[in-house]
Amino acid sequence: GEDVEQSLFLSVREGDSSVINCTYTDSSSTYLYWYKQEPGAGLQLLTYIFSNMDMKQDQRLTVLLNKKDKHLSLRIADTQTGDSAIYFCAEEGVNFNKFYFGSGTKLNVKP
Amino acid sequence: ETGVTQTPRHLVMGMTNKKSLKCEQHLGHNAMYWYKQSAKKPLELMFVYSLEERVENNSVPSRFSPECPNSSHLFLHLHTLQPEDSALYLCASSQDHGSRATKLFFGSGTQLSVL
Repeated sequence: GEDVEQSLFLSVREGDSSVINCTYTDSSSTYLYWYKQEPGAGLQLLTYIFSNMDMKQDQRLTVLLNKKDKHLSLRIADTQTGDSAIYFCAEEGVNFNKFYFGSGTKLNVKP
Repeated sequence: ETGVTQTPRHLVMGMTNKKSLKCEQHLGHNAMYWYKQSAKKPLELMFVYSLEERVENNSVPSRFSPECPNSSHLFLHLHTLQPEDSALYLCASSQDHGSRATKLFFGSGTQLSVL
């Protein structure tokens, strides 16, 4: 299968911006996703971006896509303690029926 | 409430036991999925059902047996599991399978421990 890689941990202070990075290998990816998993819960879709876009903004969330480098990032502005969770990057293949998830980045927000 | 409910939340079983995980979705979706989540590893897709028909089986050992009696319910039957099968098992659903921008809705998972 395709590889989706993320760093395992990120720690930031409340009020700072968080940037979670992801790299993937499938150049034919169509959509790329960010999911959030809070403790004891399943994954929740945060946002997604179509592969022909460079950026998508949704309130405090900004997704940047560098298709040439196969690099996806999620920026959370004014990070709050409630943003502490595991964030998963995922890519969807060209046939729209293959999802590849990363291992997740655990975001720790310190007060 | 995500609209996808999984039971039980926690399960401890011996290697000779037989148990079943249950998933129910209240979203009117046509596709349902089983994923395995192990610590520090990517989510592993196990099975996909679309309109009650299995469309994906990702080389999963036969000790895991899925069942989809209707589009709202999905089961995962477990028998003679191994300790390495201990993980969080997540159920998900989506409106359709194989359409653009598939949005997955996940349940809270069943935390399985095999002794």
